[in-house]
Amino acid sequence: TQLLEQSPQFLSIQEGENLTVYCNSSSVFSSLQWYRQEPGEGPVLLVTVVTGGEVKKLKRLTFQFGDARKDSSLHITAAQPGDTGLYLCAGSSPRDTGRRALTFGSGTRLQVQP
Amino acid sequence: EAGVAQSPRYKIIEKRQSVAFWCNPISGHATLYWYQQILGQGPKLLIQFQNNGVVDDSQLPKDRFSAERLKGVDSTLKIQPAKLEDSAVYLCASSLEADEAFFGQGTRLTVV
Repeated sequence: TQLLEQSPQFLSIQEGENLTVYCNSSSVFSSLQWYRQEPGEGPVLLVTVVTGGEVKKLKRLTFQFGDARKDSSLHITAAQPGDTGLYLCAGSSPRDTGRRALTFGSGTRLQVQP
Repeated sequence: EAGVAQSPRYKIIEKRQSVAFWCNPISGHATLYWYQQILGQGPKLLIQFQNNGVVDDSQLPKDRFSAERLKGVDSTLKIQPAKLEDSAVYLCASSLEADEAFFGQGTRLTVV
């Protein structure tokens, strides 16, 4: 069974601070996605990383895929209250495993205080 | 482009009753997923369809849960009979590529 562990589970910071969220696994993934989920809504895709070592930027968010494609990080610069939400990483199994659906981590709940 | 539609948004039932959820995926998306998200946890896959065929239902509690996707478009997920531990948000998602899923708003089920 592939597991994704996210840390920290909870994070409460002040507006303007920087933060990093981690997503780790012992399994290799063909790709990894980051989602943000707000209360009462479904997860919304933020980014997909595919290549080991890949770095993607989305405004103040920077996503990195580990060289071995087993881990990823999300860094937010100058956090804003609008960044508040549940951040979920999800991995897609290598296609030769026959299992295609995403495996989700347990999430990091971020609260940004104004 | 219309997103994934789910209904109902909320449902409260008593234990041992049955309940059904409906999902209409994004047009053209061959892959459809049902996930269960218990409060404080990440989504857990229940079942994955490719068109109207089941790809993965290894984590579906088949003694009480069933799902179908007739004609390869809409899908329904049924629980019969419901238990207290089935209280959760049931999320439907669809995708063109297996790597990226687009989610509906979910159905929040409370079993009392």
